[in-house]
Amino acid sequence: AQSVSQHNHHVILSEAASLELGCNYSYGGTVNLFWYVQYPGQHLQLLLKYFSGDPLVKGIKGFEAEFIKSKFSFNLRKPSVQWSDTAEYFCAFGGSQGNLIFGKGTKLSVKP
Amino acid sequence: DTGVSQDPRHKITKRGQNVTFRCDPISEHNRLYWYRQTLGQGPEFLTYFQNEAQLEKSRLLSDRFSAERPKGSFSTLEIQRTEQGDSAMYLCASSLDGGLHEQYFGPGTRLTVT
Repeated sequence: AQSVSQHNHHVILSEAASLELGCNYSYGGTVNLFWYVQYPGQHLQLLLKYFSGDPLVKGIKGFEAEFIKSKFSFNLRKPSVQWSDTAEYFCAFGGSQGNLIFGKGTKLSVKP
Repeated sequence: DTGVSQDPRHKITKRGQNVTFRCDPISEHNRLYWYRQTLGQGPEFLTYFQNEAQLEKSRLLSDRFSAERPKGSFSTLEIQRTEQGDSAMYLCASSLDGGLHEQYFGPGTRLTVT
């Protein structure tokens, strides 16, 4: 079955620290991968997406993610986090039904 | 605001009552999705529409759940005989036809069944 795993439930960082959130998916075919972010009190927003081509994808607000096919991974990174990055981050996989299959999410808390 | 809207934002109901939620997608989007999100989980797919046709339903969508999109614009999700386990955030999303799954989400309707 298609599934997405996010390794960290809650990550706490200080401002300016580097961030890497893990995401692994299980599916052997063509993949469409996404990272969504949910800021406190707001709705889910697309951060970045990968469909094909360059495996290093750049998104909004300085985020990037790298698709590594051999590892079935799509980890999210940011070199220097800000307090405003405090949010919940969801990795998602484009399912065969046209739906998105989400991981359980990672809460990021950035201390000022 | 031209984003996805949902109404109501919060609903508290007693067990056994019926509830109906509404979703208005982005106007040019042909696809409309419903998801459910419970505490500590990511959103889980329930069903989706291509225009007015309901194309897929998850096994999470029990017989007490029904969704419609009568004119291919707004959609409603009805839950009959609500149970405490139905308490969740119900999310609606929309996308362009053939948009390779890029979906835009609404704010959600939080349902609490007492």
